Amino acid sequence: DSGVTQTPKHLITATGQRVTLRCSPRSGDLSVYWYQQSLDQGLQFLIQYYNGEERAKGNILERFSAQQFPDLHSELNLSSLELGDSALYFCASSVVGQAQETQYFGPGTRLLVL
Amino acid sequence: GQSLEQPSEVTAVEGAIVQINCTYQTSGFYGLSWYQQHDGGAPTFLSYNGLDGLEETGRFSSFLSRSDSYGYLLLQELQMKDSASYFCAVVENRDDKIIFGKGTRLHILP
Repeated sequence: DSGVTQTPKHLITATGQRVTLRCSPRSGDLSVYWYQQSLDQGLQFLIQYYNGEERAKGNILERFSAQQFPDLHSELNLSSLELGDSALYFCASSVVGQAQETQYFGPGTRLLVL
Repeated sequence: GQSLEQPSEVTAVEGAIVQINCTYQTSGFYGLSWYQQHDGGAPTFLSYNGLDGLEETGRFSSFLSRSDSYGYLLLQELQMKDSASYFCAVVENRDDKIIFGKGTRLHILP
């Protein structure tokens, strides 16, 4: 158990809909990362937050947005969903978000868009 | 363009040593990370190299040569539980994005 929690574990929805994925980092970690993993695209970095502020941005679509709240949990919002958004979404946390730090991954949310 | 190249599959024998190579071509480079992922599981962060040379953590070591845009992950005393996919990833800049390779599936034979 990494100490990172993600909800929900599974999500099935329809094209055009909007969903919110939630991540709670390990106690004491200030930085949260979001990743997408699909068969087509492999593992992709989406976005990183540190103490409520966006720190780094990867291949995150404009239809996707994220935020980190004062209690340090984070949410990833996916809107106007398309079939290709079906994937595993992982969040990870680290202490202060530096590259050399160990990132601890949550169990992931499996999203299926029908 | 940006690319990370690593072998798609590697097979080794239990108790042996295996090396997984990663070459990269990216617009920036700050460091190279390695992750392990078992089937159906979440990735696990293994190592990070920001400077040239070898970093050792137990049975796993990771090497970086910035001049050659090359790194590798070395696994020693292979165990069956090491059967997994291994991803290299470049951190492009200090506060910038992470780019992943497509992963190497490691098969361990008894």
